[in-house]
Amino acid sequence: NAGVTQTPKFQVLKTGQSMTLQCAQDMNHEYMSWYRQDPGMGLRLIHYSVGAGITDQGEVPNGYNVSRSTTEDFPLRLLSAAPSQTSVYFCASSQDPGQEAFFGQGTRLTVV
Amino acid sequence: GENVEQHPSTLSVQEGDSAVIKCTYSDSASNYFPWYKQELGKRPQLIIDIRSNVGEKKDQRIAVTLNKTAKHFSLHITETQPEDSAVYFCALTTDSWGKLQFGAGTQVVVTP
Repeated sequence: NAGVTQTPKFQVLKTGQSMTLQCAQDMNHEYMSWYRQDPGMGLRLIHYSVGAGITDQGEVPNGYNVSRSTTEDFPLRLLSAAPSQTSVYFCASSQDPGQEAFFGQGTRLTVV
Repeated sequence: GENVEQHPSTLSVQEGDSAVIKCTYSDSASNYFPWYKQELGKRPQLIIDIRSNVGEKKDQRIAVTLNKTAKHFSLHITETQPEDSAVYFCALTTDSWGKLQFGAGTQVVVTP
């Protein structure tokens, strides 16, 4: 059972480039989310989804887009990368609100 | 959004001693309070959680207490071991979508 899988693990982008961070889960979870982790700031919610076709903004959504066309996949798109988006990104999924969130292994993104 | 304050930011303990981390929150509608452990370079993993209708929960050397009146919850680790060294995050959810709000984290170092 793979759980939550993120790709890539590492990425370097130039300012202004776009890219998509992939997230897939095989647990049939309806709830999926994206967080960014910066030193001393914990994990901050970027975007959230409660099922296919339903997404919502989190605490820090600017510069990021999401869509949820299937239960399994929840990609995060950076439209025009900025150095402020240098961070570690985690995708997570859970069966229900108020239950354990399972995290992917993370993507370390550097924008130069 | 909900503000979760976590203290201390760093905690150094001798092996065998106890460690306590406290989180405070402001929204009385918060109803789910998980704790995550993140080892260096790894993904966050749930170690224990508690719901708003319970005051205390224990799992071997780990316990969580919740004081809804004072709006704080705490993680207690007894008989600490070197493998307890990690960053610990408290979190909570408030709305029906189950969005997790994280504290800034506590770096725990257990010295032999």
